[in-house]
Amino acid sequence: KAGVTQTPRYLIKTRGQQVTLSCSPISGHRSVSWYQQTPGQGLQFLFEYFSETQRNKGNFPGRFSGRQFSNSRSEMNVSTLELGDSALYLCASSIGTGATNEKLFFGSGTQLSVL
Amino acid sequence: DAKTTQPPSMDCAEGRAANLPCNHSTISGNEYVYWYRQIHSQGPQYIIHGLKNNETNEMASLIITEDRKSSTLILPHATLRDTAVYYCIVRVYTGNQFYFGTGTSLTVIP
Repeated sequence: KAGVTQTPRYLIKTRGQQVTLSCSPISGHRSVSWYQQTPGQGLQFLFEYFSETQRNKGNFPGRFSGRQFSNSRSEMNVSTLELGDSALYLCASSIGTGATNEKLFFGSGTQLSVL
Repeated sequence: DAKTTQPPSMDCAEGRAANLPCNHSTISGNEYVYWYRQIHSQGPQYIIHGLKNNETNEMASLIITEDRKSSTLILPHATLRDTAVYYCIVRVYTGNQFYFGTGTSLTVIP
């Protein structure tokens, strides 16, 4: 079974641009979550999508958005990039039942550098 | 907010057991304890999780105290490939929002 796939692996953008990151979950998984990891703030939750609907959202500005498609694949978008958006962006998938013992499986991430 | 406290770093000799502690004194009755690890610039890897009872799988053992206020992850025979940052997470269920905290950087020494 293939794992969580994130593309691209590396990305370089300049301030003010926008970027779209892609995530393909494990087959059969309906929940996709996004996390941002920076050296200063660590791993922080961005949002979760389930059945094409945002189910939960972290404390990030509106420049960060996402969506999920009917095949459970997800994209996240960051508009008007700032230097502080440089980070490893991680996608995680799970079955999505909502059970508290449900495991998250993470992709390898997209390393975004904003110049 | 992270609900766990872990030592920032630990060393372990190769072949010995690595015991990684975690304090979660405010844990509630239905909250699970999860452990993940992250090797540099890769995504976190699931290790194990538990509620009340001790758990064991092919990777590790999880020992949870009777009052559930702390736990220990045990890697029985540490190898150099176990060098990573280990995160102890108490899952507060609001979707899949895991609070990772700062973790323990484990270095396995040859």
